[in-house]
Amino acid sequence: DAKTTQPNSMESNEEEPVHLPCNHSTISGTDYIHWYRQLPSQGPEYVIHGLTSNVNNRMASLAIAEDRKSSTLILHRATLRDAAVYYCIRGLGAGSYQLTFGKGTKLSVIP
Amino acid sequence: ETGVTQSPTHLIKTRGQQVTLRCSSQSGHNTVSWYQQALGQGPQFIFQYYREEENGRGNFPPRFSGLQFPNYSSELNVNALELDDSALYLCASGEGGARSGYGYTFGSGTRLTVV
Repeated sequence: DAKTTQPNSMESNEEEPVHLPCNHSTISGTDYIHWYRQLPSQGPEYVIHGLTSNVNNRMASLAIAEDRKSSTLILHRATLRDAAVYYCIRGLGAGSYQLTFGKGTKLSVIP
Repeated sequence: ETGVTQSPTHLIKTRGQQVTLRCSSQSGHNTVSWYQQALGQGPQFIFQYYREEENGRGNFPPRFSGLQFPNYSSELNVNALELDDSALYLCASGEGGARSGYGYTFGSGTRLTVV
């Protein structure tokens, strides 16, 4: 049970912003939201994580809804290298060590 | 920083055989986790080792076992292979028990095919 809901696929034009949504309506107050992505033929790669506030790093921005039941990963300018499966992961709860992946969103970037 | 390396990259085994997969953690990381990824699915957590002890396990049978060595490298062993064990096996390393969920570094995986 991944406990998050994401669209199966999305498309974006190169150099345009991309907003990847995630629903986590049953999230608890101490659960972080993590995003990983998996490029073809590679293992997952950490992108960003957050708890309540919006977060920015060199790769992306994470916007978390005020009620924390949803979040959005923002890629400010999509490149061809950003084509990947993006996983939104809720967790980790107390005593839990695992990342629970769902099927993620497959992002295609059109040149 | 050398990242996480896994070996071999590809492997073909026969049903009923045993297999050992290897993982070298990223420098400075003392936690290693193993994941199984079937085609078209997200990775599924198998287990995690922290300072040579298993400290978390997913819903996998006992024929999936592991080891972590003093240099924090790790092995995944699977006995009595079944056809459904065909998958990409991923190793991830992290720091200090890695309970936070971020900072995991994944290897590129070992593709196991059971025939």
